[in-house]
Amino acid sequence: DSGVTQTPKHLITATGQRVTLRCSPRSGDLSVYWYQQSLDQGLQFLIQYYNGEERAKGNILERFSAQQFPDLHSELNLSSLELGDSALYFCASSVALAGGPGNEQFFGPGTRLTVL
Amino acid sequence: GENVEQHPSTLSVQEGDSAVIKCTYSDSASNYFPWYKQELGKRPQLIIDIRSNVGEKKDQRIAVTLNKTAKHFSLHITETQPEDSAVYFCAASSSGNTGKLIFGQGTTLQVKP
Repeated sequence: DSGVTQTPKHLITATGQRVTLRCSPRSGDLSVYWYQQSLDQGLQFLIQYYNGEERAKGNILERFSAQQFPDLHSELNLSSLELGDSALYFCASSVALAGGPGNEQFFGPGTRLTVL
Repeated sequence: GENVEQHPSTLSVQEGDSAVIKCTYSDSASNYFPWYKQELGKRPQLIIDIRSNVGEKKDQRIAVTLNKTAKHFSLHITETQPEDSAVYFCAASSSGNTGKLIFGQGTTLQVKP
């Protein structure tokens, strides 16, 4: 157990719908990262938040958005869902913002999203 | 752009043999290189990492080497066991003041008893 929690574990929804994925980082971690893992694909970086502020963006679709709250938990919102959005969505957390000790990322168990 | 190439995509070894997975990165400013192990349906688990000021790091049966000049790094697993079977991902840190990681495409390691 990494100490990172994600809910829900599974989510099945229809095209066009909107969903919210939730992540709670390890105690003391200020950085939260979101990654997408499609079938047979690697891990694609979506976005990083540090202490409530957005710090880095990857190839995140405009239909996707995220935020980090004062208690440091984060939510990833996916809207106008398409079949191709079906994937595992992982959250990770670290103590530090960037390089140096403390930047090790620990992953949560993931949310499996199925869009029908 | 930022890219990490990982080879091979699949690797099958006999129990007790060694396994080597290689990665090449494109961003010369990358300074942190973690390796993750992912079992089927589970989360990626950090197994070892190396920073740019070190050439080699070892932890029991696993080791990682880094060649900054050539921009490549490798994972070495010795005395492989069936429980080492999983998908292994390498990653490189992105330049800039962020923790963004660029991942390789993964290597599926099968250790045959």
